[in-house]
Amino acid sequence: SQTIHQWPATLVQPVGSPLSLECTVEGTSNPNLYWYRQAAGRGLQLLFYSIGIDQISSEVPQNLSASRPQDRQFILSSKKLLLSDSGFYLCAWSVRAGGFTGELFFGEGSRLTVL
Amino acid sequence: GEDVEQSLFLSVREGDSSVINCTYTDSSSTYLYWYKQEPGAGLQLLTYIFSNMDMKQDQRLTVLLNKKDKHLSLRIADTQTGDSAIYFCAESIGYNKLIFGAGTRLAVHP
Repeated sequence: SQTIHQWPATLVQPVGSPLSLECTVEGTSNPNLYWYRQAAGRGLQLLFYSIGIDQISSEVPQNLSASRPQDRQFILSSKKLLLSDSGFYLCAWSVRAGGFTGELFFGEGSRLTVL
Repeated sequence: GEDVEQSLFLSVREGDSSVINCTYTDSSSTYLYWYKQEPGAGLQLLTYIFSNMDMKQDQRLTVLLNKKDKHLSLRIADTQTGDSAIYFCAESIGYNKLIFGAGTRLAVHP
């Protein structure tokens, strides 16, 4: 069966520090991968999605970047965090286009607090 | 542009029906979805409806789609305390993306 792991679960970082959130998927090949952010009192915002290694689309201009060094690994990074980067970050995967039904499988999330 | 809107909060009494509403903008969406988020956890797909359908029923859940008005609703019959969660409406964009609404927090009280 497929599983998705996301870490760290909780992170408290000072403004200006770097960030690295990692996500890996097991039990499937060639998945679509996604990073969403859920800010307090706001909805779920799509940050990045990837349909393959080194194929990443950025949805919203921001202080963050994403990389996909391996088929089932998706990394969210920042060189210098801002207060506004605080939020709940969710990684997700789906079956790739052709089999895509819109069912996303989410990780448990990473709560980032920038102080 | 792409946008999904839903009310932010709904409070119901245990045993009553809950109706959560959503409007979307992309008329070309193939599927429309309802996801559920338990406290402190990721989202899970609850149900979805194909865009050429008007209604879909799945046990206590009924999804209604008004494509003309771009309005989607989720009805939960006999609402229980375990139904307390945030419910997200979402639409598919192209072949790979989902756009979510802000989520409706459902509170069920005795």
